[in-house]
Amino acid sequence: GQQLNQSPQSMFIQEGEDVSMNCTSSSIFNTWLWYKQDPGEGPVLLIALYKAGELTSNGRLTAQFGITRKDSFLNISASIPSDVGIYFCAGQNFGNEKLTFGTGTRLTIIP
Amino acid sequence: GAVVSQHPSWVICKSGTSVKIECRSLDFQATTMFWYRQFPKQSLMLMATSNEGSKATYEQGVEKDKFLINHASLTLSTLTVTSAHPEDSSFYICSARVIQGGQPQHFGDGTRLSIL
Repeated sequence: GQQLNQSPQSMFIQEGEDVSMNCTSSSIFNTWLWYKQDPGEGPVLLIALYKAGELTSNGRLTAQFGITRKDSFLNISASIPSDVGIYFCAGQNFGNEKLTFGTGTRLTIIP
Repeated sequence: GAVVSQHPSWVICKSGTSVKIECRSLDFQATTMFWYRQFPKQSLMLMATSNEGSKATYEQGVEKDKFLINHASLTLSTLTVTSAHPEDSSFYICSARVIQGGQPQHFGDGTRLSIL
């Protein structure tokens, strides 16, 4: 099935650094979602975006719904050890409950 | 709120065994639940959409006779991997969405299936 492209594929940063990652699609979506997955667990919803151009924050996390509806960005400020994990974007369209997931960005914090 | 529970969280069994995985929405009702499969270091791939009171809808390439889905109530969907083989070993994750429209999917903690 279709997957969304996420970049970077992996990131190695130091604690306290800011993080940016993005997600791109060849087709438009009406809803963009960002999830975080810890090892051996299911994804946890971080932020949901419902309108093109929308910028939404959840604590140190900020996500934007691209104006073209074909991309989305996630920023994490002042990273902390519990931010380690895999971040997935997901796109969804109205009237279709299916989610299309991105390829994931693995975040590692270097001691 | 919006808690999804999966059981079991981990199962190891011999080749040829059938394995049932349960997905429950604990504090909400869900007419639709979703089953995903995730191989190591890969993303989640949708296997099927489970509809309460009707047949599941399978994604292309997913064998419906291999992966039996039953959604008998608004809070429970089950996935049965029939005659499992080593290549079926994977991380299976379910999700559910609150009945009211516009709500995002919430995921269970997954079931790691290992077939020997």
